[in-house]
Amino acid sequence: GENVEQHPSTLSVQEGDSAVIKCTYSDSASNYFPWYKQELGKGPQLIIDIRSNVGEKKDQRIAVTLNKTAKHFSLHITETQPEDSAVYFCAAIVGGADGLTFGKGTHLIIQP
Amino acid sequence: EPEVTQTPSHQVTQMGQEVILRCVPISNHLYFYWYRQILGQKVEFLVSFYNNEISEKSEIFDDQFSVERPDGSNFTLKIRSTKLEDSAMYFCASRQLTGRGTEAFFGQGTRLTVV
Repeated sequence: GENVEQHPSTLSVQEGDSAVIKCTYSDSASNYFPWYKQELGKGPQLIIDIRSNVGEKKDQRIAVTLNKTAKHFSLHITETQPEDSAVYFCAAIVGGADGLTFGKGTHLIIQP
Repeated sequence: EPEVTQTPSHQVTQMGQEVILRCVPISNHLYFYWYRQILGQKVEFLVSFYNNEISEKSEIFDDQFSVERPDGSNFTLKIRSTKLEDSAMYFCASRQLTGRGTEAFFGQGTRLTVV
């Protein structure tokens, strides 16, 4: 089955700086890669996703890049703000298998 | 904005007891899921459900677990004879289409504590 690795487990950045979280996946059949933000005591909330037919997608301060050859994808957050502090999960899905495979999560801490 | 709702938010149960976790998926969604998150760990897929039957399940989803859609709106996860290691957050999710390229919406979760 699919295996998703996520790094780093904790990331601390100064407010206003950029943050980058990286994930790799194992199954070349995966072709949908969502990123979820989870705040304390809440369920995961989708913040951005990318499909395998594109290499990059951007939504305001958030961007995701995908390298299918290397089987890795990354989340980029620019101009970080205190409200960006949360745990971020990457995930991948294999066609025909409906369950998302999640990475272990990155605890993003924005230092004021 | 439509959302997935889960009840209860917190359930405490004695080891060996049965629990039922309830979910109301988004009304026009066709695919329903249960995920589990042990404290401090990643979200793990348990089971997916479509057209009134299980379409996929993980190795975690053993005979202790069952799912049901008893009516047109609810989707339940039953855990028989709970164990201490079943303590976790359980998330329900739904999506319109399966497989590739469609967003899964998650509920707020039910925190299950087995004592």
